Amino acid sequence: ETGVTQSPTHLIKTRGQQVTLRCSSQSGHNTVSWYQQALGQGPQFIFQYYREEENGRGNFPPRFSGLQFPNYSSELNVNALELDDSALYLCASSSRSNSRETQYFGPGTRLLVL
Amino acid sequence: KQEVTQIPAALSVPEGENLVLNCSFTDSAIYNLQWFRQDPGKGLTSLLLIQSSQREQTSGRLNASLDKSSGRSTLYIAASQPGDSATYLCAGTGANNLFFGTGTRLTVIP
Repeated sequence: ETGVTQSPTHLIKTRGQQVTLRCSSQSGHNTVSWYQQALGQGPQFIFQYYREEENGRGNFPPRFSGLQFPNYSSELNVNALELDDSALYLCASSSRSNSRETQYFGPGTRLLVL
Repeated sequence: KQEVTQIPAALSVPEGENLVLNCSFTDSAIYNLQWFRQDPGKGLTSLLLIQSSQREQTSGRLNASLDKSSGRSTLYIAASQPGDSATYLCAGTGANNLFFGTGTRLTVIP
């Protein structure tokens, strides 16, 4: 158990809909990163939030957006869902923003877009 | 752009065997290298973190090495057990994110 929690655990949406995924970081951590893991692939970096500000973004379109709250929990929002958005979405928390510390991952949210 | 490759993609071994998983990366400017374990449909569990100034880390039956000059890391698992069956992912550190390989799916046969 890493202390990082995600909700919901599973989600089914249809193409064109919007979805919000949630992540609670480990106690004492101020940085949350989001990753997308397609079936059979390694996780791909979506973006990172540090002290409520976006602090780096991977190669994902603007319909992927996020928030971080004062308690350092975070949301990932995806608009206009596409079939290829079906994946396991992982969040990771750490105590520093530069990835030099161990990142602790949550159990993930599995999203299926029909 | 950092690219991380893991070989083999899948591996089956009998219980008790020692084994080595390989990871290579294209950009030697990574800061550190982290190995993770992922059980089917689950999140990632950090196994070992090798800092840039280190060459290896050990935890129990696991030993990971890092050679930045050649762009390689290995994860050595001693005396494998059925409970070690999982996918093992290596990840190099970027500015503020991890670059993952596609993983090696390990099956340890009782």
